[in-house]
Amino acid sequence: DTEVTQTPKHLVMGMTNKKSLKCEQHMGHRAMYWYKQKAKKPPELMFVYSYEKLSINESVPSRFSPECPNSSLLNLHLHALQPEDSALYLCASSTNNGELFFGEGSRLTVL
Amino acid sequence: QKEVEQDPGPLSVPEGAIVSLNCTYSNSAFQYFMWYRQYSRKGPELLMYTYSSGNKEDGRFTAQVDKSSKYISLFIRDSQPSDSATYLCAMSPNDYKLSFGAGTTVTVRA
Repeated sequence: DTEVTQTPKHLVMGMTNKKSLKCEQHMGHRAMYWYKQKAKKPPELMFVYSYEKLSINESVPSRFSPECPNSSLLNLHLHALQPEDSALYLCASSTNNGELFFGEGSRLTVL
Repeated sequence: QKEVEQDPGPLSVPEGAIVSLNCTYSNSAFQYFMWYRQYSRKGPELLMYTYSSGNKEDGRFTAQVDKSSKYISLFIRDSQPSDSATYLCAMSPNDYKLSFGAGTTVTVRA
């Protein structure tokens, strides 16, 4: 079992809803990530937090808003999403030498 | 040209066969090389991690990195039906940004 825990596992939301995805890791990693994965495609990087500071933002629309409350937690706030945002959202954390560990993902459906 | 090239397959082999997967890349700055296994509707699981060139073995899995040829491989010996999954190669330079291959779908037939 992965040591990166994501909740919820499944989420269905309307285009006017506000929801959040949550991620937690207790491996002492200081870098945490959000990826988006569409069917039969590799993961695409959205955000990177390093030492609780946002260090990479891959030009993601503002309807996705990341938050890193502390070194173990990472949230992704969702607002006014579009149906094309339906995907598997993956949280990950990494060691200092770049080993990246993923969670099981949150499967999001936007109606 | 993509930064990382990986044949998407699909690849179908009989149980007990050796599965051979590979990726090529163009960025000579890549130093860290990883292979992930992803089952349907699950997150990717880190299988093998290699820094720079060389071979690494873990049970039935062997990873090889040839930086001079910009080529990495993953071999699965004595393949089992439970090895049926999508295998993703990934690599990065000294920062946090991984570049992924497209993923190869493997089916091991019982």
